[in-house]
Amino acid sequence: NAGVTQTPKFRVLKTGQSMTLLCAQDMNHEYMYWYRQDPGMGLRLIHYSVGEGTTAKGEVPDGYNVSRLKKQNFLLGLESAAPSQTSVYFCASREPGRGNIQYFGAGTRLSVL
Amino acid sequence: GQQLNQSPQSMFIQEGEDVSMNCTSSSIFNTWLWYKQEPGEGPVLLIALYKAGELTSNGRLTAQFGITRKDSFLNISASIPSDVGIYFCAGGPGGSNYKLTFGKGTLLTVNP
Repeated sequence: NAGVTQTPKFRVLKTGQSMTLLCAQDMNHEYMYWYRQDPGMGLRLIHYSVGEGTTAKGEVPDGYNVSRLKKQNFLLGLESAAPSQTSVYFCASREPGRGNIQYFGAGTRLSVL
Repeated sequence: GQQLNQSPQSMFIQEGEDVSMNCTSSSIFNTWLWYKQEPGEGPVLLIALYKAGELTSNGRLTAQFGITRKDSFLNISASIPSDVGIYFCAGGPGGSNYKLTFGKGTLLTVNP
C-alpha cells in the first residue's frame, strides 16, 4: 500500500528557477490538497482539488499553480521560485464522506537560494 | 477565516509522565482530528472525533470532542520516547466544505 507518494523528497533551487512537485495517490480518492509547512505556522493550504480537472485556491496560493489532469495525480508548480517559498510541502488526499480524514504524503523539502 | 488555537506550543517532559494538549476555536466544528508528525514524515491520523462529548481512546492516547463543539483535548498517558513529535489538531466543518483547519502544533519532547 503506497498511499500518497510525493516526488522529489528534496530539492534545491536558485531564485527564478521553476519546478513541479508531483503527488500521486493510489486510494482512488476524489479530493487532493497541497499544503506548506513552515516553523511555527502549522499547515497552510495552498491549492486543492475536488475532482479530476478541477482546482481551487487555498489560503496561500500566490506564486503557485496546480493541475489535476488525472484523478490519481496532483501537480504543484512554481514558475519562478523565490526564497520565501523555501518550505516543506505536503500533499494529502481524502474520500468524500469519510469523516474529513486526510491522508498525507511524506513531504518534499524545498530550499530556494 | 477560521482559526484554531493549539496549546501548549511545546512540551519537554520526562518518560512516564502524562501529557495534555488542547485546541480551541471561535467557530463550531463537526469533526475533530488529531494527527502526529514524526521528524521527516507527514502527519499521520491518531484519533477522529465526530460527536460532541465523544471520548475516544487509541492505546495510551485519549481525545475528547468538547461539548460546545469549539474545543478538543488530547491526553497521552505514561509517555515513552517514541511519543516524540509534533501533534496537530484539525477541525472539520462538515457539509460541503472540503477543507480542514489545522492548529499550529504542539512539539513534544520526551526525555528518557
